[in-house]
Amino acid sequence: EAGVAQSPRYKIIEKRQSVAFWCNPISGHATLYWYQQILGQGPKLLIQFQNNGVVDDSQLPKDRFSAERLKGVDSTLKIQPAKLEDSAVYLCASSFDSFTGELFFGEGSRLTVL
Amino acid sequence: AQSVTQLDSQVPVFEEAPVELRCNYSSSVSVYLFWYVQYPNQGLQLLLKYLSGSTLVKGINGFEAEFNKSQTSFHLRKPSVHISDTAEYFCAVSAPQGAQKLVFGQGTRLTINP
Repeated sequence: EAGVAQSPRYKIIEKRQSVAFWCNPISGHATLYWYQQILGQGPKLLIQFQNNGVVDDSQLPKDRFSAERLKGVDSTLKIQPAKLEDSAVYLCASSFDSFTGELFFGEGSRLTVL
Repeated sequence: AQSVTQLDSQVPVFEEAPVELRCNYSSSVSVYLFWYVQYPNQGLQLLLKYLSGSTLVKGINGFEAEFNKSQTSFHLRKPSVHISDTAEYFCAVSAPQGAQKLVFGQGTRLTINP
């Protein structure tokens, strides 16, 4: 079974530039999550989708971050404009349902903002 | 709202020694508890989980954890560690009701010395 795919693995940009990350979840998984993991900290939930609807985006900085999940499958997370403090690993995860807590994570996209 | 505190940011141990990684949680409702492991340059993967029932749960790679409701703890243990256990370990909590939001602790870096 293929795992959660993310791209790009690494991205370096200047502050105020934009960046987009892509995630393809495990086939059949209805729930998709984007987490932000800053160095030395645990992952923080940015947004949770159930199929193509948003369940929780309370910690998404909506003035600069946006995310969508097209047709309930792939998802894209965008940052525009980026700030220095956005340097982090962006983790995508998916789960079959949202009730048992077993999330399957991708390898992450490491963003460095200079 | 739920929160998690991992009491040790780093734990160095010698190979074949026992180890305990400590986790305390805070919640006003019943909880589900999890331990995830992150090997270098990889995504997080589920080590074990407590949803209900027996308070002693066993996971992959010889790890186990005990849910202690009175002490609001969910410590992770392994009787004899190997070099391959070197990784970052994350404790996480969610509430059973409704669509779950998994809240992670800050992580504990386990370093195994030969």
